[in-house]
Amino acid sequence: TQTVSQSDAHVTVFEGDSVELRCNYSYGGSIYLSWYIQHHGRGLQFLLKYYSGNPVVQGVNGFEAEFSKSDSSFHLRKASVHWSDSAVYFCAVSGNTNTGKLTFGDGTVLTVKP
Amino acid sequence: EAAVTQSPRNKVTVTGGNVTLSCRQTNSHNYMYWYRQDTGHGLRLIHYSYGAGNLQIGDVPDGYKATRTTQEDFFLLLELASPSQTSLYFCASSDDRTGGLYEQYFGPGTRLTVL
Repeated sequence: TQTVSQSDAHVTVFEGDSVELRCNYSYGGSIYLSWYIQHHGRGLQFLLKYYSGNPVVQGVNGFEAEFSKSDSSFHLRKASVHWSDSAVYFCAVSGNTNTGKLTFGDGTVLTVKP
Repeated sequence: EAAVTQSPRNKVTVTGGNVTLSCRQTNSHNYMYWYRQDTGHGLRLIHYSYGAGNLQIGDVPDGYKATRTTQEDFFLLLELASPSQTSLYFCASSDDRTGGLYEQYFGPGTRLTVL
């Protein structure tokens, strides 16, 4: 069984700042990792995913994430945030079970102040 | 981009009531999912399906039934609604045939209140 932890419930930064949202997982085998964004009142939108290869993956709107097997982490980063990046960010994991089942973290609320 | 629609967007019912939530996706994805989202929690998987007529049990299935009538349509049924089922419900779809099994497309959600 896989688990995922997002240690920061809330993160507040100013426009133009860089940000890192943390995600740690536990699972013994091959794992899919992904990040989703949820703007207020909307459904989730896929940002990026990792399964193998280059541990740094690029997503939409300047987001990237880095996989670390030694740290069991998949942190999301952005070099310069915009007010429109204010949203809830969910990390999700899945073992390679060919079921499509995702286990989501509890989410991190990112607030970008002008 | 896949389109996933849900209806109704808001629903109020009473304890013991019968509720059906509908989901339709128009991108021919084979996998569909029902989640619930509650304050302080991430999304929790209720049921999912990998094709018409197929149903798989998720992580929090108690009190819910589901049916996948076609490739496009996936329904969530609450036959005896309880206040604990007050939540925001999301439907999602994905497709394993194009390598996108774990890239899910979400609908806008249905807010259900059980009084």
